[in-house]
Amino acid sequence: AAGVIQSPRHLIKEKRETATLKCYPIPRHDTVYWYQQGPGQDPQFLISFYEKMQSDKGSIPDRFSAQQFSDYHSELNMSSLELGDSALYFCASSPIGQGDYNEQFFGPGTRLTVL
Amino acid sequence: AQKITQTQPGMFVQEKEAVTLDCTYDTSDQSYGLFWYKQPSSGEMIFLIYQGSYDEQNATEGRYSLNFQKARKSANLVISASQLGDSAMYFCAMREGGQEKLVFGTGTRLLVSP
Repeated sequence: AAGVIQSPRHLIKEKRETATLKCYPIPRHDTVYWYQQGPGQDPQFLISFYEKMQSDKGSIPDRFSAQQFSDYHSELNMSSLELGDSALYFCASSPIGQGDYNEQFFGPGTRLTVL
Repeated sequence: AQKITQTQPGMFVQEKEAVTLDCTYDTSDQSYGLFWYKQPSSGEMIFLIYQGSYDEQNATEGRYSLNFQKARKSANLVISASQLGDSAMYFCAMREGGQEKLVFGTGTRLLVSP
């Protein structure tokens, strides 16, 4: 079965650089979520999109922005990178009609290292 | 206040034994969902089991079962017949009614020994 695809899988950047992470949800999933997991931490919700519109927002820094495109893929843009942005970034997707169930299928993550 | 509390930073169990990973939650919503995810050292998040707040029966998925005690606000994961491949980090998470996001606990690292 198709899974959530994230690219790149690993990314190394310098401080103050920019990074773009991409997420391709499971086909027919229209909701995308982004989470950030720092070293030894639990995943923290950043932002979500439903039908290409932002549906919920968490602790996402102003330096970060995200969007969902017409083909439902999503991109997380990160500017002025800081050392503390080094983390595993997960994208998850879910289909409509789940009600309270709303299982989120996670991608393999993008490991970002800021030097 | 913490929404999800996992009080066991680490747990050890011998192969073939059962183990219970604790999770308590805090919400004033009547409608919510509770999830358990497994994160091996490779990093991916693997969905294990779900319990809805209105579900009267405890959820089961193969060797995984969820001991749901609503009045005590606990949703403990029980893994029966542990296998070496069960060694991983386990996260309890909650989705409150009307919200999109999952809120995670701090996780429990399970080590299964031969």
